[in-house]
Amino acid sequence: KAGVTQTPRYLIKTRGQQVTLSCSPISGHRSVSWYQQTPGQGLQFLFEYFSETQRNKGNFPGRFSGRQFSNSRSEMNVSTLELGDSALYLCASSLYGTDTGNTIYFGEGSWLTVV
Amino acid sequence: QKEVEQNSGPLSVPEGAIASLNCTYSDRGSQSFFWYRQYSGKSPELIMFIYSNGDKEDGRFTAQLNKASQYVSLLIRDSQPSDSATYLCAVNTLFWSGNTGKLIFGQGTTLQVKP
Repeated sequence: KAGVTQTPRYLIKTRGQQVTLSCSPISGHRSVSWYQQTPGQGLQFLFEYFSETQRNKGNFPGRFSGRQFSNSRSEMNVSTLELGDSALYLCASSLYGTDTGNTIYFGEGSWLTVV
Repeated sequence: QKEVEQNSGPLSVPEGAIASLNCTYSDRGSQSFFWYRQYSGKSPELIMFIYSNGDKEDGRFTAQLNKASQYVSLLIRDSQPSDSATYLCAVNTLFWSGNTGKLIFGQGTTLQVKP
């Protein structure tokens, strides 16, 4: 059974540019969450999608957005990149979310460096 | 007060010893509790999850949950050098508040197992 697949794995962008990251969840999983991990802030929740609908959003500026497609694949976009956006972006997949009975699996992440 | 607190460590134990990792959380309504292991430069890997008060054992790992004290722990028996990693405690938020799909992570505890 394939795991959570994230692309690209590594990328370097310039301040002011935008970036799109992709996530393919485990087959059959309908919930996809995105997290940002930095040394200073740790793992922080960005947003969660279920059946193409955003169910929850973290405390990030509007430059961070996402979407989910009918096949459960998800993308996140960061516009007008800032140096502080340099981080590991993790996608997490689960059947229905975090309610009892569901386990959550992470992809290998996309390492974003903004210069 | 942070929502999920962990001692950052490092926690150093000799090979073969029991490593005890602790986590406290502030949201009394939290339902699901997860332990992830993260090696340097890698994404978090799910070790265990626990939903009910008491102990849950899986091989060398035992998760303990005490909802009254808002405390969850992970015991690693017969610690091996390969267990050296950062261990992340994660807690879900209330389902009925709409906050599903969101995990709150602690900052992680670095474990060092010395041969």
